[in-house]
Amino acid sequence: EVQLVASGGGLVQPGGSLRLSCAASRFSLSNSWMTWIRQAPGKGLEWVANMNRDGSEIYYVASVKGRFTISRDNARNSLSLQMNSLRVEDTAVYYCGAGGGFLVDDWGQGTLVTVST
Amino acid sequence: DIVMTQSQDSLAVSLGERATINCKPSQSVLSRSNNRNYLAWYQKKSGQPPKLLISWASTRKSGVPDRFSGSGSGTDFTLTISSLQAEDVAVYYCLQYYNAPLTFGGGTKVEI
Repeated sequence: EVQLVASGGGLVQPGGSLRLSCAASRFSLSNSWMTWIRQAPGKGLEWVANMNRDGSEIYYVASVKGRFTISRDNARNSLSLQMNSLRVEDTAVYYCGAGGGFLVDDWGQGTLVTVST
Repeated sequence: DIVMTQSQDSLAVSLGERATINCKPSQSVLSRSNNRNYLAWYQKKSGQPPKLLISWASTRKSGVPDRFSGSGSGTDFTLTISSLQAEDVAVYYCLQYYNAPLTFGGGTKVEI
């Protein structure tokens, strides 16, 4: 069974930065497209970004483009999301997921990011 | 961007009864090259990550109970729970993965 665990969340002030990590176990992340989604408090799911197996294809939702960077380290079997210029509206639980393409088959436990003064 | 509309914010269904959830993409998610609909359904329970139920509009993921089924094509899709169980109380989201940015519907909360 695929296991993914997101970490790195916390409280940050508006304009600050945070780096989320996603550790994979029981499967090789290098064989998968990797995705981040988020869920703001009391809101629905929002797709954030994804990337293909070798990082040659990367996509972002418009609201984070230029501020967030998705990256992967296949050797360490991990995924990251560097979040800069954070806004109050970025407050959410962030989930990482893996799949054969755009579709995510498995999601890991999320990590909470709170952007507030 | 493709806008995904789930017209029902919530749905109250009795145990053992049928639940029907609708999803309408703003443009077709049917690929003419492979005749597949790039539409998935996820179940989301509070405090848990989303769980994939259905992909390609109607393909149930292994291990998902057969009371869950998906149907539809193009711009009109339905998730059906044939006989609602207590453990099915959750929010259900449709997702289009036809193109980026991927987009979710607003979610439909199923209650008893």
